[in-house]
Amino acid sequence: QQPVQSPQAVILREGEDAVINCSSSKALYSVHWYRQKHGEAPVFLMILLKGGEQKGHEKISASFNEKKQQSSLYLTASQLSYSGTYFCGTGSNDYKLSFGAGTTVTVRA
Amino acid sequence: EAQVTQNPRYLITVTGKKLTVTCSQNMNHEYMSWYRQDPGLGLRQIYYSMNVEVTDKGDVPEGYKVSRKEKRNFPLILESPSPNQTSLYFCASSGTRGLVPGELFFGEGSRLTVL
Repeated sequence: QQPVQSPQAVILREGEDAVINCSSSKALYSVHWYRQKHGEAPVFLMILLKGGEQKGHEKISASFNEKKQQSSLYLTASQLSYSGTYFCGTGSNDYKLSFGAGTTVTVRA
Repeated sequence: EAQVTQNPRYLITVTGKKLTVTCSQNMNHEYMSWYRQDPGLGLRQIYYSMNVEVTDKGDVPEGYKVSRKEKRNFPLILESPSPNQTSLYFCASSGTRGLVPGELFFGEGSRLTVL
């Protein structure tokens, strides 16, 4: 069952912050974040495992609350290069991965 | 160079004509998987494989078959393609952390049109 991402799209100016949310109706063990630029394959950002950890990748960080079955991706001081579609993938410790429908981020100068 | 190679990259076919999309990785990854990407629906997992001869269904397996006879190869088979299988397909591979796929390395994608 696909996780639900929100918002579907967000437009930012350079330097602004944004939060992308990912929620699931299933118990989660892992959350995986990817970014896809137009016409390209998705690229890995980070994996968070059960335990409520927070991770970072440049100025992009994420949190995972397994009790609420939610994860959030934080884009801080956005840059033009952050534009793309962000996908969260969720896993239940059984090798299976379900991805959300994606959040399109547009960063403008 | 570490990579996942899919072929063909583009294919137009007709309903009912069996086709195979090949996927090969050179990173010695245990985990391989197939996804389809459709507008508004994101990435949906079709099948995955944890190792040679071990495969399982993802979220949308209907109409597809896979096999994993060698560690490096994971072909996707459409026995009788239908127009609703028109989509962009991605193959990906990764290591594993226990029962969790690690960082997925994606192929460049195969755009399939079924008329």
